[in-house]
Amino acid sequence: SQTIHQWPATLVQPVGSPLSLECTVEGTSNPNLYWYRQAAGRGLQLLFYSVGIGQISSEVPQNLSASRPQDRQFILSSKKLLLSDSGFYLCAWAGQMIGVFGSGTRLTVV
Amino acid sequence: TQLLEQSPQFLSIQEGENLTVYCNSSSVFSSLQWYRQEPGEGPVLLVTVVTGGEVKKLKRLTFQFGDARKDSSLHITAAQPGDTGLYLCAGEKLVFGKGTKLTVNP
Repeated sequence: SQTIHQWPATLVQPVGSPLSLECTVEGTSNPNLYWYRQAAGRGLQLLFYSVGIGQISSEVPQNLSASRPQDRQFILSSKKLLLSDSGFYLCAWAGQMIGVFGSGTRLTVV
Repeated sequence: TQLLEQSPQFLSIQEGENLTVYCNSSSVFSSLQWYRQEPGEGPVLLVTVVTGGEVKKLKRLTFQFGDARKDSSLHITAAQPGDTGLYLCAGEKLVFGKGTKLTVNP
């Protein structure tokens, strides 16, 4: 079965510091991968999705970027964090009619 | 981008009551998924509906896909506190509605 690993679970970073969140998938090849951000108790805002190595689509212009260096690895980055980057970040893998999510990273920018 | 509108945004009910939440769009979907999310965790897939008019049941949860495949509903019978959570619908490319936050009070 497909599993998705996301880390770290929580992160506190100062404003202006860099960010790197990593997500890896097991049990499937050439997955469609997604990064979302979620405000407290609300819906998921799609940030980036990738259909293959080096192929990244950005949904929302912002202070973040994504990369896919390997088939089952998806990385969310920032060079300089802003207070508004705080939130709950989720990585997901999507197959045919199914979506599997990681456990999320709670990012607090202070 | 296909937009999904979910209603109501918030719902607070007593244990044992029935409820229905909705997911609507002006676009046609080839499939639609429902997820439930608990605080601090990732969403978990409940069901995928594919065929217009399709009805799927998952214990006390009944999911229906509209005939025109533009809308869907989730009905919960005899709600329990364990049903508390954020219910999300999603269409193609895993684009989500804003969710319905359900609280079932004991």
